[in-house]
Amino acid sequence: LAKTTQPISMDSYEGQEVNITCSHNNIATNDYITWYQQFPSQGPRFIIQGYKTKVTNEVASLFIPADRKSSTLSLPRVSLSDTAVYYCLVGDRGGGFKTIFGAGTRLFVKA
Amino acid sequence: GAVVSQHPSRVICKSGTSVKIECRSLDFQATTMFWYRQFPKKSLMLMATSNEGSKATYEQGVEKDKFLINHASLTLSTLTVTSAHPEDSSFYICSASPHRGPPSGANVLTFGAGSRLTVL
Repeated sequence: LAKTTQPISMDSYEGQEVNITCSHNNIATNDYITWYQQFPSQGPRFIIQGYKTKVTNEVASLFIPADRKSSTLSLPRVSLSDTAVYYCLVGDRGGGFKTIFGAGTRLFVKA
Repeated sequence: GAVVSQHPSRVICKSGTSVKIECRSLDFQATTMFWYRQFPKKSLMLMATSNEGSKATYEQGVEKDKFLINHASLTLSTLTVTSAHPEDSSFYICSASPHRGPPSGANVLTFGAGSRLTVL
């Protein structure tokens, strides 16, 4: 499983766009990039997944450069309720479904 | 969408007792479920992979006799913390994937809400 590196924490203000970058230099050809969000005392929640280029859903966008060695989760116009920990994971089904979490990025949105 | 239910959400027990936590996939069958534990302000640590109809696969450093996992059906996995001690106090989270066979994407897990165990 490819190791990921993210900033430990980030601060932002309501209404701003937040970009969280994740490095995964050892990503394999079959690996997908998945982001989860976790609020305190809750289980993680799936946000978005991508393989290459750009993926967008109702919650976020995921930008993946051509070399796929990094990815950026973009949260448009954050609100206080987006304060959470965001995890970037890289892997495929070949690893026996294992999902290993890195340290994550603690996002704090201020009023 | 896929829903995973975890029960109880909170449990307080005395040292030396055993506690069982249930993880159910409500609207899909899960051949494999995963158990994590999480300490305050730390990331999730994978404890074991629960396989329906077979023994669980434990991660290195996790005592299988301490954390008993049973996956008797395709919708239910249980984690029993045996002879609990204060150091076992933690947030335990289960997860499962509804996907079987070649996916259009990688494995996306649905997580339970977690169970906070406090051992006095």
